[in-house]
Amino acid sequence: AAGVIQSPRHLIKEKRETATLKCYPIPRHDTVYWYQQGPGQDPQFLISFYEKMQSDKGSIPDRFSAQQFSDYHSELNMSSLELGDSALYFCASEEAGGINYGYTFGSGTRLTVV
Amino acid sequence: AQTVTQSQPEMSVQEAETVTLSCTYDTSENNYYLFWYKQPPSRQMILVIRQEAYKQQNATENRFSVNFQKAAKSFSLKISDSQLGDTAMYFCAFMKVFQRTGNQFYFGTGTSLTVIP
Repeated sequence: AAGVIQSPRHLIKEKRETATLKCYPIPRHDTVYWYQQGPGQDPQFLISFYEKMQSDKGSIPDRFSAQQFSDYHSELNMSSLELGDSALYFCASEEAGGINYGYTFGSGTRLTVV
Repeated sequence: AQTVTQSQPEMSVQEAETVTLSCTYDTSENNYYLFWYKQPPSRQMILVIRQEAYKQQNATENRFSVNFQKAAKSFSLKISDSQLGDTAMYFCAFMKVFQRTGNQFYFGTGTSLTVIP
């Protein structure tokens, strides 16, 4: 079965650089969520999209932005990277109101800022 | 606001034995969903089991079952016949019934489970 695809799997950036994380949801899933998980922490909600429009915003820094495209894939853009941005970034997708409620998570992108 | 509490940061269990992980939550919603996710060392988030709040029957998935007590707002996970591959961090999560907004998960802080050979 198709899963949520995230790319890249690993990313190393220097401070003040920019990073772009991509997420390809499961076909027919119209809702995408982004989470940030620091070392030893539970996932923290960043932002979500429903039908290509932002639906909710969590603890996402102003340096970050995201969007969902016409093919429902989503990109998280992170600028002026800081050491504290080093984390595992999860994307999850869902079919809004579908019978299989709940998220399917991607494998995550591990971002290391040096 | 919704909160999810996992009061056991770490637990261990002997292989083949049974262990119960606890989770409590707070919400004013009447209908919602509850989940247990497993995060092994690979850091992948894997759905273990899910429960709809309006269903009184406890969900089961093979060796995994829940004890859902709606009035007490409790949602514990029981793992029977524990296997070494069950070693992971387990997150309890809450989600409201779908609305256009506010559908994010509320996660507990996790319970690190170690299965001892």
